[in-house]
Amino acid sequence: NAGVTQTPKFQVLKTGQSMTLQCAQDMNHEYMSWYRQDPGMGLRLIHYSVGAGITDQGEVPNGYNVSRSTTEDFPLRLLSAAPSQTSVYFCASSLTPGTLNTGELFFGEGSRLTVL
Amino acid sequence: GQQVMQIPQYQHVQEGEDFTTYCNSSTTLSNIQWYKQRPGGHPVFLIQLVKSGEVKKQKRLTFQFGEAKKNSSLHITATQTTDVGTYFCAGRGTGGFKTIFGAGTRLFVKA
Repeated sequence: NAGVTQTPKFQVLKTGQSMTLQCAQDMNHEYMSWYRQDPGMGLRLIHYSVGAGITDQGEVPNGYNVSRSTTEDFPLRLLSAAPSQTSVYFCASSLTPGTLNTGELFFGEGSRLTVL
Repeated sequence: GQQVMQIPQYQHVQEGEDFTTYCNSSTTLSNIQWYKQRPGGHPVFLIQLVKSGEVKKQKRLTFQFGEAKKNSSLHITATQTTDVGTYFCAGRGTGGFKTIFGAGTRLFVKA
């Protein structure tokens, strides 16, 4: 059972380049989300999805796009990378909170992105 | 929008001393979760509190959820070097799915 898998683990981009961070989970979780982590800022929510075909914005969505065509995958696209997007990105997933589960978030290992 | 504030940002303790981190939300929460992130790692779920005034314990860790469901705390008794890391609270608003994290408290434990 792989859990939440993120690729790549490391990436260096030049300003203006585009790229996609991949996230896949094999736990049949409905809820998936992307966070960025910067020193002193904690984890800030970028985008999230409550199921295939449904996405919504988090706290810091500008400069990022997402799609959810399947339950398993939730890629994060940077359309035109900027140095301000240098960060560690975490993908997280959970079951929909309910009486039988807590909705705890399972995190991937993270993707460290540097934009020059 | 929903905001979650967490203090302190850092805490240095001597091994054996106690440690507390506090979390406050700008809005009423449906639940609050706590996570621990070891240096270089990813956040790992510790616990969830749902009920007003709820208190839960995990060995040396005590978690509380305020009566108004807008604040929470994590208290560690007699810290050990294995407790080092960053502790995050994360709140989910009423009627929503998204989970908002506090900025975290990084704990340093000196042996």
